[in-house]
Amino acid sequence: NAGVMQNPRHLVRRRGQEARLRCSPMKGHSHVYWYRQLPEEGLKFMVYLQKENIIDESGMPKERFSAEFPKEGPSILRIQQVVRGDSAAYFCASSLRANTEAFFGQGTRLTVV
Amino acid sequence: AQTVTQSQPEMSVQEAETVTLSCTYDTSENNYYLFWYKQPPSRQMILVIRQEAYKQQNATENRFSVNFQKAAKSFSLKISDSQLGDTAMYFCALAGGTSYGKLTFGQGTILTVHP
Repeated sequence: NAGVMQNPRHLVRRRGQEARLRCSPMKGHSHVYWYRQLPEEGLKFMVYLQKENIIDESGMPKERFSAEFPKEGPSILRIQQVVRGDSAAYFCASSLRANTEAFFGQGTRLTVV
Repeated sequence: AQTVTQSQPEMSVQEAETVTLSCTYDTSENNYYLFWYKQPPSRQMILVIRQEAYKQQNATENRFSVNFQKAAKSFSLKISDSQLGDTAMYFCALAGGTSYGKLTFGQGTILTVHP
């Protein structure tokens, strides 16, 4: 049973480009969570999705950021018109149900140049 | 709002000795869960131990145990018989309500185990 898979592991984008980060949850998991980790800081919650629905987006920046978790395929975190401050590690976690353990992927390190 | 505070940016310990990492938290939820995660240089987030707030008994997992003081809102992690592989960043985290996955993390403590 493969773990949570995130790709790419590393992503370099120029300022103004779009970044798409993918997360495939563990098999059978329908709950997905996205986190951002800035250098030397802890992880910060961004958004919680359940198949085709956004449950909680209280941690998402109001502009340029969006997330989806379609019926088929991975969850996508999309950052439009990236800026240097978006450089961070982005982690995805998935769980079987809301009240069960969330397992983390290895993260995507985004560098904006 | 929930907050988690780790007041020790860095700790070090000799191999085979015991070390305790501190964590305090605040939440208005009656039902919540507390976790310690380990993040080695690979960046993988690994769950070390968890504690349900309604349980009075402190959780233990092999060499890892917690001291959960609910009234004081304190949740410290004790690592016994430290090993070189324990070297990592350790995060204390809190999940309020019914979702284990929506976590509030502390700032982290870098633990170095010396041979």
